[in-house]
This record gives sequence, C-alpha cells and structure tokens, in this order.
Amino acid sequence: NAGVTQTPKFQVLKTGQSMTLQCAQDMNHEYMSWYRQDPGMGLRLIHYSVGAGITDQGEVPNGYNVSRSTTEDFPLRLLSAAPSQTSVYFCASSFYRGTREGYTFGSGTRLTVV
Amino acid sequence: QQPVQSPQAVILREGEDAVINCSSSKALYSVHWYRQKHGEAPVFLMILLKGGEQKGHDKISASFNEKKQQSSLYLTASQLSYSGTYFCGTEISYNDYKLSFGAGTTVTVRA
Repeated sequence: NAGVTQTPKFQVLKTGQSMTLQCAQDMNHEYMSWYRQDPGMGLRLIHYSVGAGITDQGEVPNGYNVSRSTTEDFPLRLLSAAPSQTSVYFCASSFYRGTREGYTFGSGTRLTVV
Repeated sequence: QQPVQSPQAVILREGEDAVINCSSSKALYSVHWYRQKHGEAPVFLMILLKGGEQKGHDKISASFNEKKQQSSLYLTASQLSYSGTYFCGTEISYNDYKLSFGAGTTVTVRA
C-alpha cells in the first residue's frame, strides 16, 4: 500500500520550459489536490478535484493546469515555467463523501526554475 | 482566506506544555492539524468538525470554538519527537473543498 506517490522528487527547469508533475494514489480517494509550499507562507492550494473528470481552481492556479481522467492519477502541468514557480509541490488526497477525513500527502517535488 | 496561527515559534524543554492557536475571520466547518518535520511531507494529526468533540492523539489534543472561529492545539508533556512545524487548515463549509493552511508554528523541543 504505497499511499500517495509523487514523481519526480527533484527537478530543475529553465524558464519557459514545460513539465508535468505526477501524482498517484492507491487508496481509492475521491478528493485530490495540489499545494505549493514556500518559506514562511504555509501551503497554498493550486488546484483540486473531487472525482474523475471534475477539477477546480484553488488560491494560486495561474500558470498551472490539471486534469483527472482516473480516480488514481492527478497530474499537474506547468505550462511555461517561471522563476516564481520555484517551490516544493505536494499532492494530497482524502475521502470526501460522508464525513471528513484528514489528508494524506505525497513526499513532495522540489522544483527549481532558473 | 488563510487562517492566522500564533505563536510563530516556540521552544520547549522536554516535559513542558505548549498551546498553538489558529483563528479565522470566517465561520468554519472544519479545522485540521498537521505536523511537518524538516524535509518531509505534512502528517495528519486530527480533524475537528463543526458540532464535534474535542479530539486527542496521545498527549496532543485540540479544541474547536465555533463561536470564536478558533481552534487550539495542546502539546502536553512534550517529547523530542514533537519537534516540527505545526499547521492548521480550515474549511468554511462542507461543499467548499478548499482547505486553507496557516503559515505554521515551529516547535522545538530540547532535552
């Protein structure tokens, strides 16, 4: 039982390049989300999904796209990387129907844009 | 809208107690608490729901004052393993689906 798996763990991009951060969970969670973490700012929500085919924007969606074609996978795409997107990115998932449960986080992707 | 956590940092000796506060300007449906150690992912501690009870997890417990839109996390008889950054996350309604996190409180427990 792997939980939430994120790849890659580290990535360096040049300004203007695009890439996809992968996130997969094997807990049959309906809810998945992407956060970025910057020093002193906590975790900020980028995009989230409440099920396959359903996505919505969080607090800081600009420059990022998501899709959810399956329950298990929720990739995050950076369209044209900028230095301001240098951050640590976390994917999280949870059950959401009925009562609330806590989030399970992936181990993170540390992204540097130069 | 991000909740406000206080204090920003606290230093404890083993066995001492601490309280971390989390407040919101909006009415809340739920409050989550997580702990993150350096270089690792946040780990879920507990969740408090509107109308729910105070929760506990070993010697860490939390309360939720719905009227004041505040939650407090209590670290009792702290252990070295309690060191880390604690985050509260808040949701304003059942259908909101957006968990907003505070900036975090760094707890250092010394022997």
